[in-house]
Formats: sequence, C-alpha cells, structure tokens
Amino acid sequence: NAGVMQNPRHLVRRRGQEARLRCSPMKGHSHVYWYRQLPEEGLKFMVYLQKENIIDESGMPKERFSAEFPKEGPSILRIQQVVRGDSAAYFCASSSTSGKETQYFGPGTRLLVL
Amino acid sequence: AQRVTQPEKLLSVFKGAPVELKCNYSYSGSPELFWYVQYSRQRLQLLLRHISRESIKGFTADLNKGETSFHLKKPFAQEEDSAMYYCALREGSQGNLIFGKGTKLSVKP
Repeated sequence: NAGVMQNPRHLVRRRGQEARLRCSPMKGHSHVYWYRQLPEEGLKFMVYLQKENIIDESGMPKERFSAEFPKEGPSILRIQQVVRGDSAAYFCASSSTSGKETQYFGPGTRLLVL
Repeated sequence: AQRVTQPEKLLSVFKGAPVELKCNYSYSGSPELFWYVQYSRQRLQLLLRHISRESIKGFTADLNKGETSFHLKKPFAQEEDSAMYYCALREGSQGNLIFGKGTKLSVKP
C-alpha cells in the first residue's frame, strides 16, 4: 500500500491562474480531508469529502475554492484565480471511515503563487 | 471556540534529558486528542491518541481535563526524536482535526 498520494508535490502559479491539487487516498479509504498550512501556522481544516459527496466544507473559503471526490479517480482541490495569499502547503488525509478512524496524511503539495 | 495551543515554537534539549511538549486545548464537548509527528522530509504521522493510553517510542501523554492539557512526555530524549510535533483535537463526529501550530523538538548530542 503506497499510502496517500498527492501530486504535484510542488506547484508554481502566477496570480490569476488556476491551481489543481490531486489526492489519491489509501486503498480501501473512502473519506478524504483537505488541510491547508500557511507559513508558521498549524494545519487548518478545509473540507471533508466522501465519494461523490461533500460532507463538510466549513473551513473552505466561499470563493475561488472548490473540491470534489468523484466515483472514479482522485480527489481534487481546485483554486481559481490564485492570489499570493494562497501560497501554502496543502495536505490531504484519508480514512476508512469518519469519526474514530485514524487519518493518514499525504506528503502535501506546496503551492507558490508569484 | 475550539482551539489547540502549543506555546513553544522550539524546544531544544540534550540527548538523555527529559522532554515535555506542552499542549492546551479549549473545547466545549468531550475532547479526543492526538499527537502527530513529522520527521524531516517525511509526511505527518500519528504518534499517539489519548483514548489508546499507550506509549509509542517512549512517549506518553495524559489528558488532564481539569487543566485542559495533553502534554507529551518522554523521560530520556534521543537524537532521532528531533522532529516537528503537532497536537490535534478531533472535532465532533465528522472527524476533522484542529491542529496547534507545532513545536520543533531538537535533541542535541
């Protein structure tokens, strides 16, 4: 089991471009969480998804950010019209079920907006 | 509001010395608390959780509801313990975690 995979590991975008971050959960896991870590900060929850459903997006900015977890393929976090403040590390975690199960983290995607 | 506080950004100790990484929380319900560790160039991984009441790599942490703390302790630090340590609280039944800002532990030879 390769664990949670994220790609790309590093992404550079210019202001106004779109960023797409991908997360493949561990085999057998159907729950995905996205977190963002700004410099010198802890990880902050953004969104929680199950296959084809957004369960909780309370931590995600209302504009420019969206997330999906289709029936087939990875979960995608999409940031439209990026701004410099979006520069951060974005981590994905997966679990087999919600609630009491351990979350396993991916290596993160480091987004730099120029 | 739910919050996790790790007051020390950096903690430096010598090998063999005791270490305590502090974590305080505020939460209105019954908390579930965790310690995660991130070694250099590795991904974040679970170190221990309070409900397990276990010792991992010599580390222990006791939930103190009176002091709203969940400090991580190890009696004799090793150089390989050098890493970033994050305290986290699980919010509600959905499972998302609230993290502290982390403490960088440096164990010197």
